[in-house]
Amino acid sequence: DARVTQTPRHKVTEMGQEVTMRCQPILGHNTVFWYRQTMMQGLELLAYFRNRAPLDDSGMPKDRFSAEMPDATLATLKIQPSEPRDSAVYFCASSVRLAKNIQYFGAGTRLSVL
Amino acid sequence: SQQGEEDPQALSIQEGENATMNCSYKTSINNLQWYRQNSGRGLVHLILIRSNEREKHSGRLRVTLDTSKKSSSLLITASRAADTASYFCATDKLNAGGTSYGKLTFGQGTILTVHP
Repeated sequence: DARVTQTPRHKVTEMGQEVTMRCQPILGHNTVFWYRQTMMQGLELLAYFRNRAPLDDSGMPKDRFSAEMPDATLATLKIQPSEPRDSAVYFCASSVRLAKNIQYFGAGTRLSVL
Repeated sequence: SQQGEEDPQALSIQEGENATMNCSYKTSINNLQWYRQNSGRGLVHLILIRSNEREKHSGRLRVTLDTSKKSSSLLITASRAADTASYFCATDKLNAGGTSYGKLTFGQGTILTVHP
């Protein structure tokens, strides 16, 4: 049963701490997306990668957020330092570029920054 | 305003009734997709309609697309309590060269509540 796996599912941290979220895309998918979802802003695209190369990270606050794909099976989203306004659910999704761009989402990481 | 805007924002119906949600967008698209999100979960793809298609069916789902009006609708027939969820439309936009960006732009969603 192929699926996108995100860890951790929940994270509570204090302001100023570093947070790292991980995503394992579906095997064979070459495009990986990071989204943030809040009640106020809805679903926002933060960054996405194709074949491990960053294509667009314009949705990400550059001073504190960073996204990488160390290898084809792992994508990471890091926040340093974290702030209360970063509290949200962060989703990873993957797709196959030539397959109609249908995206498969992970269950998300619910982040609370106190 | 944002591409991929759904209306209504919230819809409350009784089991057995039909639910219709609408989506508008602003630019040329490769395709339009609908996703469902149950509370506390990730989004799940429901159905895709290409820009050259006008109607698509999948089980109790019916999607229409009017590219002249830049709008789409999702109809869920004979709704069930299990259909209670948020529904999002997402557009696969075309760039100036007429090819897909390879990413989706999601709307704000419609919250559907189906009462037993």
